[in-house]
Order: sequence, then C-alpha cells, then structure tokens
Amino acid sequence: EIVMTQSPATLSVSPGESATLSCRASQSVGSNLAWYQQKPGQAPRLLIYGASTRATGIPARFSGGGSGTEFTLTISSLQSEDFAVYYCQQYNNWPRTFGQGTKLEIK
Amino acid sequence: QVQLQESGPGLVKPSQTLSLMCTVSGGSISRGGYYWSWIRQHPGKGLEWIGYIYYSGSTYYNPSLKSRVTISVDTSQNQFSLNLSSVTAADTAVYYCALQLWLGSWFDPWGQGTLVTVSS
Repeated sequence: EIVMTQSPATLSVSPGESATLSCRASQSVGSNLAWYQQKPGQAPRLLIYGASTRATGIPARFSGGGSGTEFTLTISSLQSEDFAVYYCQQYNNWPRTFGQGTKLEIK
Repeated sequence: QVQLQESGPGLVKPSQTLSLMCTVSGGSISRGGYYWSWIRQHPGKGLEWIGYIYYSGSTYYNPSLKSRVTISVDTSQNQFSLNLSSVTAADTAVYYCALQLWLGSWFDPWGQGTLVTVSS
C-alpha cells in the first residue's frame, strides 16, 4: 500500500497571505494525485486532480504541483473560507490511500 | 449532476453487522464507467477507502477490511450498500459514499456522510 505523508500537520497563516502544503508518496504515483478540502461537519470537496488541474468551480488561487512522489498545494491570498483541513489522495494504485491531513488555521 | 446520500442506523452493537445504503440521484448507477465507493473517517482522523462496486456487481475491497466487507448494488433502486461484519469500537466512524467517474479517477462527488457508532 502506498503511504501518503502530509506536512505540516498544522499550518498557521494570516488571511491575505499564501500557504503551501506538502504531500509525499512512499512510491511514485505519477500525476495521479488529488487534493480535497474538508470543513467541520462536511464531506471532503475535490479541489485538484491530476496533481495540478483545478476541479470545476475551484478558484484560481488554488494551485497544485509536483509529480512522482512530491506534491504541493498552494493557496494564494488566503480567504476566511479557506481555513480548513486539506487531504491529498493517490489514485495510481490500489488500495486508494489518503494523507493524514494538514489543518490550515488562522494566525 | 450526480448526488449521493447515505442512510442507515447510527448505532450498532459490537459483533453485529453494520449496514448502510447510498442512494444515487441525478444520474444512473448503471452508467458505464462509473464506480461507486465507500470511504470512512474515524473521529478526528484521516480517510480510509473501504471498497468499490461497479453496476455489474464487480467489487474490489481494501485488503485491510476485505474479510469483513460486502458491497452490493441494486440497480432498480439506484442504490448501493455496505455491510461490515463483526464490528468493534474501532469501526466507529463517519461513512461516506463517493463516485469515481472511471476506475482510474479521483472521488467526486461525495455524499454528506453518516456517523455510525459501535457501542453496546
């Protein structure tokens, strides 16, 4: 099973600033990497697929990068609604696996 | 667009079987290429993929749960279900159903999730 490791566990950032979240896979997943946003009491929402393609309706301030084993999610000009937990997920191998999440909190 | 809604008991006794249903609306569960998954999230923890089913009945389960999981589909009702046997407190989680547009894709959309607590 591919282990997905996210860092940091918690990231404190001020509104208006940028945040970069990292995700590392224990073996190459190519570009088969998705990012999700989850707010309290809600289901995860797809942000990015194919490592860098924004899902429908996702603002341009969200951008994904990387391939192979190293990936990043960058959120520029943070808005109040962006403070949430973010998960990466690989869909290159079975079973599908998720990272443990990065909590983005207001500084 | 496709929407999913989970339903089922919120409380299950230890050693019993957890049974949940996912109702699909806005699209046919029998649409070719669509794969229907169950995913769970332990309280305050990360996400664990449980397994998927295709409308034909073909399934694939996470090896970590394979011995206890059964996923089935009812195309006439546009529903698919999850059975997890011999549950313990470790199976307490929010259970989500989700769609993969094809076998090699991400999960989107998701149902809202349903909390299942295992307790006597």
